[in-house]
Amino acid sequence: TQLLEQSPQFLSIQEGENLTVYCNSSSVFSSLQWYRQEPGEGPVLLVTVVTGGEVKKLKRLTFQFGDARKDSSLHITAAQPGDTGLYLCAGKASGTASKLTFGTGTRLQVTL
Amino acid sequence: DTAVSQTPKYLVTQMGNDKSIKCEQNLGHDTMYWYKQDSKKFLKIMFSYNNKELIINETVPNRFSPKSPDKAHLNLHINSLELGDSAVYFCASSHGMTSGGGETQYFGPGTRLLVL
Repeated sequence: TQLLEQSPQFLSIQEGENLTVYCNSSSVFSSLQWYRQEPGEGPVLLVTVVTGGEVKKLKRLTFQFGDARKDSSLHITAAQPGDTGLYLCAGKASGTASKLTFGTGTRLQVTL
Repeated sequence: DTAVSQTPKYLVTQMGNDKSIKCEQNLGHDTMYWYKQDSKKFLKIMFSYNNKELIINETVPNRFSPKSPDKAHLNLHINSLELGDSAVYFCASSHGMTSGGGETQYFGPGTRLLVL
């Protein structure tokens, strides 16, 4: 069974602070995605990384895929209240059709 | 213009009842999914259909039966509901099956099921 452990589980910070969320597994994934879910809604895709060592930037968000494709991180610079939500990583293993394994989730709250 | 829609949004029912949740997508996608999100927000795949054909069937009690009348619809029927079935059920869709790089899955707003 593939497991994706996220840390921290909860994070409460003030506006303007930086943070990093980690997504770790002992399994290799062919691709890794990050989703954000707001209360009462479904998850929305933020990014997909497919190459070991790949770094992608989306405004203040920086995503990295580990060299061995077993882990990933999400770094947010100068967090804003609008970043509040549940962040989920999701991995896809080779040969598993379109099956995604979701991480345990990180709940982020950014206050003024 | 909702891309992936689910009905109902809320469902409160008694143990032992049978209920259905409906999902429709207007994105022209070939693949649809059902996920269960528990109280700890853990999201787990239950089923996936590609062009009306079942392609993913995780270890789910056989009280849960998905049905895809056409590739734009994927319904979930649950027999003999139990307390542990209380959760948020999400439908999602994607363009199709890929072997390598992940493709985007578009999620519906969820159905909040509470079994009393």
